[in-house]
Amino acid sequence: EAGVAQSPRYKIIEKRQSVAFWCNPISGHATLYWYQQILGQGPKLLIQFQNNGVVDDSQLPKDRFSAERLKGVDSTLKIQPAKLEDSAVYLCASSSSGRSSYNEQFFGPGTRLTVL
Amino acid sequence: AQSVAQPEDQVNVAEGNPLTVKCTYSVSGNPYLFWYVQYPNRGLQFLLKYITGDNLVKGSYGFEAEFNKSQTSFHLKKPSALVSDSALYFCAVWYSSASKIIFGSGTRLSIRP
Repeated sequence: EAGVAQSPRYKIIEKRQSVAFWCNPISGHATLYWYQQILGQGPKLLIQFQNNGVVDDSQLPKDRFSAERLKGVDSTLKIQPAKLEDSAVYLCASSSSGRSSYNEQFFGPGTRLTVL
Repeated sequence: AQSVAQPEDQVNVAEGNPLTVKCTYSVSGNPYLFWYVQYPNRGLQFLLKYITGDNLVKGSYGFEAEFNKSQTSFHLKKPSALVSDSALYFCAVWYSSASKIIFGSGTRLSIRP
């Protein structure tokens, strides 16, 4: 089966600019996650979707970050405006589980964002 | 507060020797425990998980992990290391009480020939 797709793979922007990342999960996976992985740290969950509804967005900086999964399939994560500290790899993952996260997640290759 | 600790940033092992990558977690309800591996320029891959039952869990690529409730640990092990095992390993814990998954900071495993 095809894996989780993400684009772009790399993005370089200047601070205060906007950027958007796209993710297409494994077909049939109802749960989609966005993580932020800063260099030297483990992934930090930003937002979790169950179909097109938000399950958890408690760690999403809502003043600048937004995410949507309108049709319950692919998803977009946006940062507006970007700050230097947003430089990180943004990972998308999907799983076949319901609201609970005890099924394994399948990760995409990530988007490496550099904010100058 | 829920937390996950991987006390070693790096583990170095000679090929053929046994390896252990350590993980401890804070106690909160009944956590579900996972190990993921990240190879260079690739996404994280699932290795194994503990939900309930036998404390020794077997996973992909010959890895296994032992759940120790009294020590709140979930160490990853392999009897005989391969050079191809060199990668970044993450322990993760899902806390049902908070419906939240938390990843450790990662341990870089380096296997020398």
